[in-house]
Amino acid sequence: AQSVAQPEDQVNVAEGNPLTVKCTYSVSGNPYLFWYVQYPNRGLQFLLKYITGDNLVKGSYGFEAEFNKSQTSFHLKKPSALVSDSALYFCAVRDPPDSGYALNFGKGTSLLVTP
Amino acid sequence: DTGVSQDPRHKITKRGQNVTFRCDPISEHNRLYWYRQTLGQGPEFLTYFQNEAQLEKSRLLSDRFSAERPKGSFSTLEIQRTEQGDSAMYLCASSPDREVGQPQHFGDGTRLSIL
Repeated sequence: AQSVAQPEDQVNVAEGNPLTVKCTYSVSGNPYLFWYVQYPNRGLQFLLKYITGDNLVKGSYGFEAEFNKSQTSFHLKKPSALVSDSALYFCAVRDPPDSGYALNFGKGTSLLVTP
Repeated sequence: DTGVSQDPRHKITKRGQNVTFRCDPISEHNRLYWYRQTLGQGPEFLTYFQNEAQLEKSRLLSDRFSAERPKGSFSTLEIQRTEQGDSAMYLCASSPDREVGQPQHFGDGTRLSIL
């Protein structure tokens, strides 16, 4: 089964510092990987995806993620954190096309950016 | 607003009652998904529609749950004889099917509380 793991429940970073939110995956075949952000009492907002191609993927709001096949990781990064980036972040992997389209999410990582 | 719309945003009901939620996807999206999210967890897949056809159901979708998408546009999710364990946020998402790896776009969810 396709799955992702987010090893950190919470990440704390000072405003202006770089941030990293970690995600590792376990899939059979080529992974379709996604990052979403969730603000309180809201749905999930899409940030970026990796399907194929360049290992460094750029997304919304200055976020990027690096796909690393040898380490089976897809860490989310941002060079300079903002207080407004404080939210819940979810990594997800999609089932391959021949077995459905469900997204399998990690447990989430709470990001707190302090002024 | 052309995003995914869910109604109601909040529902409080007594155990044993039936509830129905509605989801209006982005208009040109053929695929529609339902997820359930409990506190401190990532969303869990429930079911998926391609147009009006329900193509995939999770084992989480017990026989008390039923979902429909009668005209391939809006969808409803009904829970019969609600139980305490049904308390959760129910999220709807939609996506187009025109190319591989399209992200799913989420609504703000319906929060269900069972008294």
